[in-house]
Amino acid sequence: DAKTTQPNSMESNEEEPVHLPCNHSTISGTDYIHWYRQLPSQGPEYVIHGLTSNVNNRMASLAIAEDRKSSTLILHRATLRDAAVYYCILFLQGSSNTGKLIFGQGTTLQVKP
Amino acid sequence: NAGVTQTPKFQVLKTGQSMTLQCAQDMNHNSMYWYRQDPGMGLRLIYYSASEGTTDKGEVPNGYNVSRLNKREFSLRLESAAPSQTSVYFCASSVSLAGGYNEQFFGPGTRLTVL
Repeated sequence: DAKTTQPNSMESNEEEPVHLPCNHSTISGTDYIHWYRQLPSQGPEYVIHGLTSNVNNRMASLAIAEDRKSSTLILHRATLRDAAVYYCILFLQGSSNTGKLIFGQGTTLQVKP
Repeated sequence: NAGVTQTPKFQVLKTGQSMTLQCAQDMNHNSMYWYRQDPGMGLRLIYYSASEGTTDKGEVPNGYNVSRLNKREFSLRLESAAPSQTSVYFCASSVSLAGGYNEQFFGPGTRLTVL
């Protein structure tokens, strides 16, 4: 399984944008890039995913480098509720669209009021 | 809809005891998963079931067994608990669609301590 590398921790101020980087230099052509986050004392929750093009949804944006060796999760305006561990995961979609997620250590995001 | 439910929420075992963690989902998902999360660490996949009737090993399957009882339920069994199995256990289910979409929905977790 291809690996990802993320900073252990980052800080942000409330109401400011946050850019969470992820390196995945061994990504294969068929790996999707997924992001999950885990709020304190909860299970993880899905944030966003993409393959090659940048993606937007109501929670965040995902910017993917042209060579796909890195990506950045963008939270446009951080709130205190966004304080969580953010996981960048490579997902290989198998037969019948199934597959497994391999979580790494993630980035702990602190949001300061 | 309750989503993914897990029982029990907390459990304390003595070394060598056995127990089964229960997981159920009401979202009609085909795939289900068991993870463990040690303090300060990311989640590690124990076993998963891509569809009813199939199970596969994940990253850390040793010491565990699973049963996909039906589409809704996926149980995790510890036959002889060891202190190294002290962890928080999460169950998840997912719907997988084309285009790499594999949103997993997680239960609240079971906090297990093995003395």
